[in-house]
Amino acid sequence: QQPVQSPQAVILREGEDAVINCSSSKALYSVHWYRQKHGEAPVFLMILLKGGEQKGHEKISASFNEKKQQSSLYLTASQLSYSGTYFCGTESLSGTYKYIFGTGTRLKVLA
Amino acid sequence: DGGITQSPKYLFRKEGQNVTLSCEQNLNHDAMYWYRQDPGQGLRLIYYSQIVNDFQKGDIAEGYSVSREKKESFPLTVTSAQKNPTAFYLCASSSMTGEPQHFGDGTRLSIL
Repeated sequence: QQPVQSPQAVILREGEDAVINCSSSKALYSVHWYRQKHGEAPVFLMILLKGGEQKGHEKISASFNEKKQQSSLYLTASQLSYSGTYFCGTESLSGTYKYIFGTGTRLKVLA
Repeated sequence: DGGITQSPKYLFRKEGQNVTLSCEQNLNHDAMYWYRQDPGQGLRLIYYSQIVNDFQKGDIAEGYSVSREKKESFPLTVTSAQKNPTAFYLCASSSMTGEPQHFGDGTRLSIL
C-alpha cells in the first residue's frame, strides 16, 4: 500500500514555510525525498535511515520517526524554485526488497 | 558526465503492437528500475533488477516485460497485453537497492 502524503497540495508565498508529511502502514527501514518539476524526472533531495534522524539540505530539512512510521519534510523560507511535486520513497523492513513512492504533494510557491 | 539515458523521448504505439523503451546508464549502478506515472499521479513500480540476468516484478508488471543482459541496459517492452499504456515512463538506477535513485528524463508513450 502506498504511503500517504499530506497535504495533497499547498500554495505558499515566497518566504513562507511548509511541512509535508509521509505516513506508511509498514515498518520502514529508510525514507527518501524527491522533488519533481512538471514534465521532468524526479530529483533526489535526501535520505533518512535511522529512527528520529533529521537531515538538512540548504533550507530544506526532514525528520524520520521510525516508531510512528512517518517522515516529514520541512521547507523553510520557500523560494520560487521550490515549486513542484514532492514524493517520499519508502523502503520497508520486509524480507524481500520493497520500495514504494508516496502519493505526492504538489507545492506551488507564488511571488 | 555519468547519467541515465532514456529513448525515445516520445513514442506512439498502434493497437496490437509491442514497443520497447530503452534505458542505458553509465553510473556503474547495480540496481535499475522502471516506473509508470499517469497524469497528476505518483510513480508505480513496474519491474526492478538488482543484478544482471535477474529481475523482479513490481506492483504493475502485467502487460510489460524486461531484460537485463548487461549491467548498463534495462529495456522495457510494453506488450499488446497492456491495454492502457498511455503514460510517462521513467527509468532509474541506484548503486544498490535502498540507495538514492537517479532518474532518466522519461519517455512519453501514447496510443495512435
